[in-house]
Amino acid sequence: NFMLTQPHSVSESPGKTVTISCTGSGGNIGNFYVHWYQQRPGSAPTTVISEDNQRPSGVPDRFSGSIDSSSNSASLTISGLKTEDEADYYCQSYNSNNWVFGGGTSLTVL
Amino acid sequence: QLQLQESGPGLVKPSETLSLTCIVSGGSISNDLYYWGWIRQPPGKGLEWIGSAYYSESTYYNPSFRSRVTISVDTSKNQFSLRLSSVTAADTAVYRCARHDRYSYGTFDPWGQGALVTVSS
Repeated sequence: NFMLTQPHSVSESPGKTVTISCTGSGGNIGNFYVHWYQQRPGSAPTTVISEDNQRPSGVPDRFSGSIDSSSNSASLTISGLKTEDEADYYCQSYNSNNWVFGGGTSLTVL
Repeated sequence: QLQLQESGPGLVKPSETLSLTCIVSGGSISNDLYYWGWIRQPPGKGLEWIGSAYYSESTYYNPSFRSRVTISVDTSKNQFSLRLSSVTAADTAVYRCARHDRYSYGTFDPWGQGALVTVSS
């Protein structure tokens, strides 16, 4: 079974840069797009990165995504952290008729 | 602008069947570019894909739910539905519907706001 594993939580100071990893197992993460969602408490997820590294309209260019096939992982990088970036972040991909979410990473900006 | 809205009972008894409907507005559910999916989130936990359907009645289910889940599409009402049988307390969650791209395996977008379903006697 294809799975995506994320760190449970990360924290960083305002103005700094943080990277959240998403490691695939049971399949090649590079075979299909990886997407990233931001979820604030009580709200539905919203897309911050689609198709590995594309920013939807309205998402600041402080958000970027990448794929590292050598480690079978994807990464979401947020630079110039703001307190408003504090949220849960989920990676998501597809494999063999299954759409899979990572377990989510809670980002604290303090 | 496409909008999705979940509706259904907020309380279901153990061993019974959970039924939710997602009403689609601002676009046609018969658009062959998209799947229509259900995702749940237990309180304080992460997102879990349950299954997705295409308007022609093709369906895909998470193996974890396959024996209990049915997703159906009603093109006449522009809505799709989720049925999850034999529920237990572990099925207590916010259930959200969302659209996702058929051909590029794109993002789930947009999402409904979600419906909290509690399984309790």
